[in-house]
This record gives sequence, structure tokens and C-alpha cells, in this order.
Amino acid sequence: DTGVSQDPRHKITKRGQNVTFRCDPISEHNRLYWYRQTLGQGPEFLTYFQNEAQLEKSRLLSDRFSAERPKGSFSTLEIQRTEQGDSAMYLCASSNPNEQYFGPGTRLTVT
Amino acid sequence: GENVEQHPSTLSVQEGDSAVIKCTYSDSASNYFPWYKQELGKRPQLIIDIRSNVGEKKDQRIAVTLNKTAKHFSLHITETQPEDSAVYFCAAITLSGGYNKLIFGAGTRLAVHP
Repeated sequence: DTGVSQDPRHKITKRGQNVTFRCDPISEHNRLYWYRQTLGQGPEFLTYFQNEAQLEKSRLLSDRFSAERPKGSFSTLEIQRTEQGDSAMYLCASSNPNEQYFGPGTRLTVT
Repeated sequence: GENVEQHPSTLSVQEGDSAVIKCTYSDSASNYFPWYKQELGKRPQLIIDIRSNVGEKKDQRIAVTLNKTAKHFSLHITETQPEDSAVYFCAAITLSGGYNKLIFGAGTRLAVHP
């Protein structure tokens, strides 16, 4: 499968724990995006990388959230001290340059 | 900030009928407009897109129209089939000036009844 992949697909965690998600973009894509989607809503932009540089962060991304793309390939999104409001689907997308293709998402449930 | 409004939120049609979903955007600098289809529990899938230098684009049973002056764009699905049932999202993006994020509409749940 040469599409965008994400791991894990599902994560259940207790409030206050830290979680980390991984995204592997399409190999030739230099742009990578993270979005959050809650039930009945469209995806909301979180952050954007061009190669290894994080060029934009949404105001939705509190200081508990951090994202990296150290070698310009895969990316990780970490949420520290999770809260119940963090429960959502976290989607990754990649593009080169414009058409964005999404991964299957990581569904986070915070109990 | 940028905003995309999408209507209707739900749409029910009979198989074979046409379906139209409409979106408006607020950022006049937006110049790329993709449409995504999302089936239950699956990823959003890019089905068609249009750039601001084009007024209409068609791909088999789906077409998209753009009115830059009014900041409207629409998705048209003809000869609908039950497998077209899904949630459809419109989006707008600005491709210059450092902004590369997609702003999504809230989605339209399309149900095609046999």
C-alpha cells in the first residue's frame, strides 16, 4: 500500500496519560498535515510541515500538543496530559504539492 | 479567519436523481477547492477538485462549478447510486503566502435510496 499510513488505528488512554501517534506519508510527498475530526464535523487543521520544517500551527494546538517530522519523512504527534476533550479522530494527510491525501486516522478515546 | 459554509447538512435522494451540494468561502485569496467523500469509519477521499482559473470541471457523474465573484462552489452528482451514500466535505485552500491548510465545511450527509 503506497498511501498514507497511521499507527495506531485506535488508542484508548486514561486522562492524564501521554500518547503519541505516527504518520507515514506518501513517499514522494514533502508536505504533511495533521487534522482533528470529531463526530459530525469536518476535519480541523492542526499543523503543517514542509519537509522537516513545521511552518504553521493552529490556535487549536495547545501547549500539550507537539508534532515533529525530524527527517522530513514520517511525523509524530504527541499529546501530553490527555483530557477527555482530546477524544477525536486524528488524521494525517500528505501532498506534493497541492492535492492532499488522507491516512486512515487514529481514533483516540480518553477515559 | 477563513470560513467555509456548506449546505445542506443532510440530503436524501432517490437512486437516479441528481444531488447538489453548495459551499461558500470567506477568503477571497482562496484558489483551490477540493471535495472529499467520507464513508463511515473511513478516511476522507479526494473525489474532485477545481482551481480558481477554471469555472467548471467534470469527471464522469460528478462535476464541480466555481463562481469566484460570489465565492460559491458546488458539487453536482448525476444519476446517483446507493454507493454514493456518504458524507461529502467541501474545502478551500490558499496556495500562496504561507497558508497551506484546508478549511473544511461541516459536511453533507447524502443518502441515496434504491
